Amino acid sequence: GGIITQTPKFLIGQEGQKLTLKCQQNFNHDTMYWYRQDSGKGLRLIYYSITENDLQKGDLSEGYDASREKKSSFSLTVTSAQKNEMAVFLCASRTFPGLGPQDTQYFGPGTRLLVL
Amino acid sequence: GQQVQQSPASLVLQEGENAELQCNFSSTATRLQWFYQHPGGRLVSLFYNPSGTKHTGRLTSTTVTNERRSSLHISSSQTTDSGTYFCAIDRSNTNKVVFGTGTRLQVLP
Repeated sequence: GGIITQTPKFLIGQEGQKLTLKCQQNFNHDTMYWYRQDSGKGLRLIYYSITENDLQKGDLSEGYDASREKKSSFSLTVTSAQKNEMAVFLCASRTFPGLGPQDTQYFGPGTRLLVL
Repeated sequence: GQQVQQSPASLVLQEGENAELQCNFSSTATRLQWFYQHPGGRLVSLFYNPSGTKHTGRLTSTTVTNERRSSLHISSSQTTDSGTYFCAIDRSNTNKVVFGTGTRLQVLP
């Protein structure tokens, strides 16, 4: 089996601050995702990376940057934190989409963001 | 427009009752998956089910692709089934993943 780790678990920032969240996976998966989940809501895709050298915007990319440093790691940057923002950021990994019957996403535990 | 719609939004059952959760998606959707999220916890995959019927334990997923719908059946519900269930699809030609808004299930003892 494998594991996805996200750091930090909790992130408290100030308005206007640039904040970076990190994600590591040891599944040797090609594809990685960053999602945002607001309290009581579904997941919205921020950025994704199909292969190591790929980077694509999701539906919620404004205000964020992402970087796929290597196959196992994917970082997300909040470019300017918004006052009173509170959300959970979830990272996921997956084999190349559509590759086979085990095509599913594995999620990390999340980073909880609070902006004061 | 909304590409993935789930119903009901919430559901309360007595332990032992069955549950039927629905997911409807647009024609540009593919590679349907079902996930479970425990309150405050990580998402875990239940099924990758682009078409047909799959079973695991008390769970059954049926996807009818040409009708653009999928269902998740939970038989003999238990209090530990409480949480939120999401379906998600890949948007065709882009590999973007779109999640539904979820069904919040509460099973009472």
